[in-house]
Amino acid sequence: NAGVTQTPKFQVLKTGQSMTLQCAQDMNHNSMYWYRQDPGMGLRLIYYSASEGTTDKGEVPNGYNVSRLNKREFSLRLESAAPSQTSVYFCASSEGLATLYEQYFGPGTRLTVT
Amino acid sequence: AQSVTQLGSHVSVSEGALVLLRCNYSSSVPPYLFWYVQYPNQGLQLLLKYTTGATLVKGINGFEAEFKKSETSFHLTKPSAHMSDAAEYFCAVTIPGWGYQKVTFGTGTKLQVIP
Repeated sequence: NAGVTQTPKFQVLKTGQSMTLQCAQDMNHNSMYWYRQDPGMGLRLIYYSASEGTTDKGEVPNGYNVSRLNKREFSLRLESAAPSQTSVYFCASSEGLATLYEQYFGPGTRLTVT
Repeated sequence: AQSVTQLGSHVSVSEGALVLLRCNYSSSVPPYLFWYVQYPNQGLQLLLKYTTGATLVKGINGFEAEFKKSETSFHLTKPSAHMSDAAEYFCAVTIPGWGYQKVTFGTGTKLQVIP
């Protein structure tokens, strides 16, 4: 049982390049999330998906797009990377959206945009 | 709107000493509160959570936290620090409900354990 997996672990992009961060969970969870973590700012939600086929914006969605490919996979795309998107990105999943459900986090992707 | 404040971005304790990590929250309704731990190069892991009922909550690895409404606090404690406790700890707050409810994370406290 791998839990939440993310690829890649590290990535360096040049300004204007695009890339997709991949996330998969094997816990049969309905809800999935993308966060970014910046020093001194805690975690901020980028997008979430309540269930397969639905996605919604979080606190900081600008510059990102997401796809809930199926129940297991939730990808995050940067269409035109900017230095402000240098961050550590975490994917998480939970059984449901309700706040009584624990979120399980992946190991993160460290992205640097030069 | 809710918020959470963690006092002290870095805390150092000696091995075997008491661990106390401070968290104060602000919420217009009774909140749910969480403590997460993040080990180096890993994702966050839930340590414990308070929803309703008993105000003293026990979590994994010997940690516990007490919800004090009068002080709007949810401090994390452990009687005796171990080297393996060195990590970053995040307090988080949300409002109970179905459907998505925003989870607000604190800025984190890095715990250093000195041998």
